[in-house]
Amino acid sequence: EVQLVESGGGLVQPGGSLRLSCAASGFTFNRYWMHWVRQVPGKGLVWVSRVDTDGTTTAYADSVKGRFTISRDNAKNTLYLQMNSLRAEDTAVYYCARELFKDVWGKGTTVTVSS
Amino acid sequence: EIVLTQSPDFQSVTPKERVTITCRASQSIGSSLHWYQQKPDQSPKLLIKYASQSISGVPSRFSGSGSGTDFTLTINSLEAEDAATYYCHQSGSLPYTFGQGTKLEIK
Repeated sequence: EVQLVESGGGLVQPGGSLRLSCAASGFTFNRYWMHWVRQVPGKGLVWVSRVDTDGTTTAYADSVKGRFTISRDNAKNTLYLQMNSLRAEDTAVYYCARELFKDVWGKGTTVTVSS
Repeated sequence: EIVLTQSPDFQSVTPKERVTITCRASQSIGSSLHWYQQKPDQSPKLLIKYASQSISGVPSRFSGSGSGTDFTLTINSLEAEDAATYYCHQSGSLPYTFGQGTKLEIK
């Protein structure tokens, strides 16, 4: 079964850091570009970041540029999102998704930034 | 940044009705437009990719059309299970963006 499972969310104080992980299974992970998308509960979807198949090309939304870093470990079939200098407005459910058209999504992991 | 504007924001419809949701892009994106369905407490589900390409396992009552700046998602013969929020998403130009969503309520 093709599956993405996010982990690493939690409660963090403003200015703090978190690293999210997304474990992939059921498909050849190193053949796909991967993305992070976030959603404030009750609000819309917001694209955050993407990485190419070997991790050399990345892109970010302006709202996270310079604070978040996307990466991947193809040997471990895992996507990451390192989030630094977290702000209250980063509070959201974070999803990982496969491919430009995002045909596979994880169930999400919740990040809460609050003092 | 390309802004995607969906209409309507909300629609209350009866079963078996035909529903049309539109998505307008602020700049041309060719066919790099995808549609998703999201039900409460669930992840988004891909319905249509590249404006009009169907997805395996998605009921045939869902179809998409359009190119450039104007796109449409059509749901024929609406069913109760189609109650959800629908989003369009463009992958033609960074940063990728989503529409604000259209919530469908089934009467």
